Amino acid sequence: DTGVSQDPRHKITKRGQNVTFRCDPISEHNRLYWYRQTLGQGPEFLTYFQNEAQLEKSRLLSDRFSAERPKGSFSTLEIQRTEQGDSAMYLCASRTRDRGYGYTFGSGTRLTVV
Amino acid sequence: DQQVKQNSPSLSVQEGRISILNCDYTNSMFDYFLWYKKYPAEGPTFLISISSIKDKNEDGRFTVFLNKSAKHLSLHIVPSQPGDSAVYFCAASEDTDKLIFGTGTRLQVFP
Repeated sequence: DTGVSQDPRHKITKRGQNVTFRCDPISEHNRLYWYRQTLGQGPEFLTYFQNEAQLEKSRLLSDRFSAERPKGSFSTLEIQRTEQGDSAMYLCASRTRDRGYGYTFGSGTRLTVV
Repeated sequence: DQQVKQNSPSLSVQEGRISILNCDYTNSMFDYFLWYKKYPAEGPTFLISISSIKDKNEDGRFTVFLNKSAKHLSLHIVPSQPGDSAVYFCAASEDTDKLIFGTGTRLQVFP
């Protein structure tokens, strides 16, 4: 068990470019979550999957954002036509059905849009 | 609409003493509460949780207290150690499963 893995750790992109992040959850965790954290704030929920089904999306997730989890394993988060306001830490978390053990977070992908 | 609030942005405590971090919430439908610890450039690390059917949960040096009538929870760390210095986030969830986080409290434990 290597924990939740996120790639890349850092991404610098020019405004208007597309970016894609990857998350590999803990293998036996069927639920996967994406959060976004900006400076001075707590993580904000974006979306989550149970296996391959995307069950909820936050209104924070504009049409430029899309997430997938093919085959219920790894997940990708794509941001199209990036804006400076997209600069943030993007966190992925996974867990089993039992909430008592908490959510295991990855180290995040820090996105900087210049 | 901040449903989970941590009103103290920072706290400084001497090593060996008790650290008390506070959290207030507004949504009475929350039924699960969690505390996370975060170091710079890392993701949050789960510390301890409590269900709304309990008023206390203890794990080693960490104890979480829940006061449902006041919609308040607190995390006690006894004794505090320098390695506890980090940002602590309170989070809550209801049936919808997603976590709602507070804005965090930066704890500094000094010798």
